[in-house]
Amino acid sequence: AQSVTQLGSHVSVSEGALVLLRCNYSSSVPPYLFWYVQYPNQGLQLLLKYTTGATLVKGINGFEAEFKKSETSFHLTKPSAHMSDAAEYFCAVRSSGSARQLTFGSGTQLTVLP
Amino acid sequence: ETGVTQTPRHLVMGMTNKKSLKCEQHLGHNAMYWYKQSAKKPLELMFVYSLEERVENNSVPSRFSPECPNSSHLFLHLHTLQPEDSALYLCASSHARDYPPYEQYFGPGTRLTVT
Repeated sequence: AQSVTQLGSHVSVSEGALVLLRCNYSSSVPPYLFWYVQYPNQGLQLLLKYTTGATLVKGINGFEAEFKKSETSFHLTKPSAHMSDAAEYFCAVRSSGSARQLTFGSGTQLTVLP
Repeated sequence: ETGVTQTPRHLVMGMTNKKSLKCEQHLGHNAMYWYKQSAKKPLELMFVYSLEERVENNSVPSRFSPECPNSSHLFLHLHTLQPEDSALYLCASSHARDYPPYEQYFGPGTRLTVT
């Protein structure tokens, strides 16, 4: 079975501050991991993904995430928040094998304060 | 058009109406999905089509009826809906259901309000 937990349904940061959105997963086999962003009244947009290889993954808009197998984590970071980063962020996992769908976390709403 | 498109973007319907949501993907993908996104609830997978065959139906009420005439188009036919069906309905596509890469590409959604 696979599952995703996003710690913190709401995160607020000041403009220019570090963004850290947490994601922990459970999977019985090596996972494929994704971060999506959703702006108001829009669909989900793929930010970045981890498949195999390098554990530090860079995505769009200056975001990156690090796959840590020992911690079963895939936290999303950005060194300096911008007002335009305000959105909802979803972590998702897909395991090869018996799990046949993407499993999404419940989302984290990011607010950027001026 | 590029990516995944959905029409209409907004829909208001009465409980006795019949309407359809349309999704089109321009990515050459073989799998398509319908999701329901309600306020304060996790994303709910409704239906999965792979190579135009429905391969998953997650206990969705029969008032929702999907149709996939070809690998580029997906419809969701709606009839006699309930107010609790009001939500954002998202369509997504991926290269294949069971082979990597697994990432899905989403359309902008249809905001449905049932009155």
